[in-house]
Amino acid sequence: GESVGLHLPTLSVQEGDNSIINCAYSNSASDYFIWYKQESGKGPQFIIDIRSNMDKRQGQRVTVLLNKTVKHLSLQIAATQPGDSAVYFCAETREGGAQKLVFGQGTRLTINP
Amino acid sequence: GAGVSQSPSNKVTEKGKDVELRCDPISGHTALYWYRQRLGQGLEFLIYFQGNSAPDKSGLPSDRFSAERTGESVSTLTIQRTQQEDSAVYLCASKAGRGNQPQHFGDGTRLSIL
Repeated sequence: GESVGLHLPTLSVQEGDNSIINCAYSNSASDYFIWYKQESGKGPQFIIDIRSNMDKRQGQRVTVLLNKTVKHLSLQIAATQPGDSAVYFCAETREGGAQKLVFGQGTRLTINP
Repeated sequence: GAGVSQSPSNKVTEKGKDVELRCDPISGHTALYWYRQRLGQGLEFLIYFQGNSAPDKSGLPSDRFSAERTGESVSTLTIQRTQQEDSAVYLCASKAGRGNQPQHFGDGTRLSIL
């Protein structure tokens, strides 16, 4: 079946720097995308979402960019903090039916002091 | 409670035994999902409940897996005759309504089959 993938499995950045986590998706019918953060022993925590009628959405210290032409999604985290260290997943779905989320394998982000 | 609650948080059992996992969704959330997460992997969809509609069972990996939910309340996921390949974290999520809204996850049940 179709799945969401990630370009890099691990990413290390210095505290205070900005980080960018990338994601490629293959289902052109997907119209809703979510970024989740997962810390060890915890469930995925919602960070930010974006609908396919948008190409950019900003939250607190986070920005999601969507490029439907190349089926690419990215999560930018500004001024990273030690608490940002976690595994980040992008997930895709489409409106209608079960709206089951299709997840990639995740990127482990490590913030170095 | 404020979030999705799952129990037990950890379960260790012998191969061949049955296990039952429980999920309490966020109050008022009509949609409930079960996912499985193998070590170092993303989440795999298992089953979806929406209100009193027939569940979407398309992700259940075998007939050893089943789930129940009464109305918009608690759900249980049952795995019969467990196999070592069933070892994983089982995550439950709930969502308010049918539209494009984020699913909110519990912390999962870590299942280990000896």
